[in-house]
Amino acid sequence: DADVTQTPRNRITKTGKRIMLECSQTKGHDRMYWYRQDPGLGLRLIYYSFDVKDINKGEISDGYSVSRQAQAKFSLSLESAIPNQTALYFCATSQDTDEQYFGPGTRLTVT
Amino acid sequence: AQSVTQLDSHVSVSEGTPVLLRCNYSSSYSPSLFWYVQHPNKGLQLLLKYTSAATLVKGINGFEAEFKKSETSFHLTKPSAHMSDAAEYFCVVSQGAAGNKLTFGGGTRVLVKP
Repeated sequence: DADVTQTPRNRITKTGKRIMLECSQTKGHDRMYWYRQDPGLGLRLIYYSFDVKDINKGEISDGYSVSRQAQAKFSLSLESAIPNQTALYFCATSQDTDEQYFGPGTRLTVT
Repeated sequence: AQSVTQLDSHVSVSEGTPVLLRCNYSSSYSPSLFWYVQHPNKGLQLLLKYTSAATLVKGINGFEAEFKKSETSFHLTKPSAHMSDAAEYFCVVSQGAAGNKLTFGGGTRVLVKP
């Protein structure tokens, strides 16, 4: 089984809808991250969490919120989706080193 | 602040020929540097990482990268490309003292021709 899982893997939604992307990990790591990937821009950090009680904004947090329900679970919400949030979203985890472990990604399309 | 520039958005090579992917970085700290690979419809996989030990870093699948502080570069090479190397590659720098926050380059897409 994969160490970092994301659900759903693909989602199409309409402008204005609320949507939640979920991430679970079995690596026992404290630190979790949400990124979005856009062509030519690499991955950009949306939010990160160093433990259950610690949530921090990344470089592009506007329009997004997160919840760290447990050490193993970190969800990303779009309260009112808009078309420019169409992207590939990745969850990642790490422990005490820089190395991060990535999930398989969620492809989100907002129409 | 830190940044990463991948100098080529696309690289095309023939199978069996060398691959060179170029990366320049800027960082206020002694950086940790990484190369990740993303195969189509897959997540990111770590190829190799530099963390201030040897400047020539060997990774998986025959890849290696050389850290050159004077040139602020961390180029990725492979002596002989294989069809399975067709993927997108990301150069990444760690924000070091600010925690595990990573800054990604824009990516280089590699096409391998038979």
